[in-house]
Amino acid sequence: TQLLEQSPQFLSIQEGENLTVYCNSSSVFSSLQWYRQEPGEGPVLLVTVVTGGEVKKLKRLTFQFGDARKDSSLHITAAQPGDTGLYLCAGGTGNQFYFGTGTSLTVIP
Amino acid sequence: NAGVTQTPKFQVLKTGQSMTLQCAQDMNHNSMYWYRQDPGMGLRLIYYSASEGTTDKGEVPNGYNVSRLNKREFSLRLESAAPSQTSVYFCASREDRATEAFFGQGTRLTVV
Repeated sequence: TQLLEQSPQFLSIQEGENLTVYCNSSSVFSSLQWYRQEPGEGPVLLVTVVTGGEVKKLKRLTFQFGDARKDSSLHITAAQPGDTGLYLCAGGTGNQFYFGTGTSLTVIP
Repeated sequence: NAGVTQTPKFQVLKTGQSMTLQCAQDMNHNSMYWYRQDPGMGLRLIYYSASEGTTDKGEVPNGYNVSRLNKREFSLRLESAAPSQTSVYFCASREDRATEAFFGQGTRLTVV
């Protein structure tokens, strides 16, 4: 069982639709990050959230950190084919650094 | 800058063989990590090192050993490879907590 559970695991949507990906844990994190991974590559950081209740926007992507710092969400508005990829949340406890189970997003033109 | 460099990129082993995956970073980061990623899945932490000379187990350490040779290098060793260890292995490093983790290109390992 992984520390960070993401849902949904797979998501296939039409271009222009909105979507939300969830990242949940029973543990409290001092900060939480979201990464995006392309096939054959390592994950690349999208955002870091550090304050409970924090909301960050990155163009069409909106990230929220839960008030209790146990969960986070990623919302994409008007998805584009270029958003296709594996989205991963990640959080640390002490020096350990865990990744979520991943959400594989496919945006169909 | 090279960032995080992993070698080899691909490897095929027979069951019972041993091998070492190499990882080096040139960003002077304190923390380094080894993960494995199975198809369509997230990354699972195998071992990590918070600083030179220290290593600790992660979520799935069984069947692996690690060595933090110096601040730059963190190697992962499979003493007796098993088919269940077929996976893509990623090394990562970061400065400290709450900072960005930088990844290598991955090693695709197949154990037959």
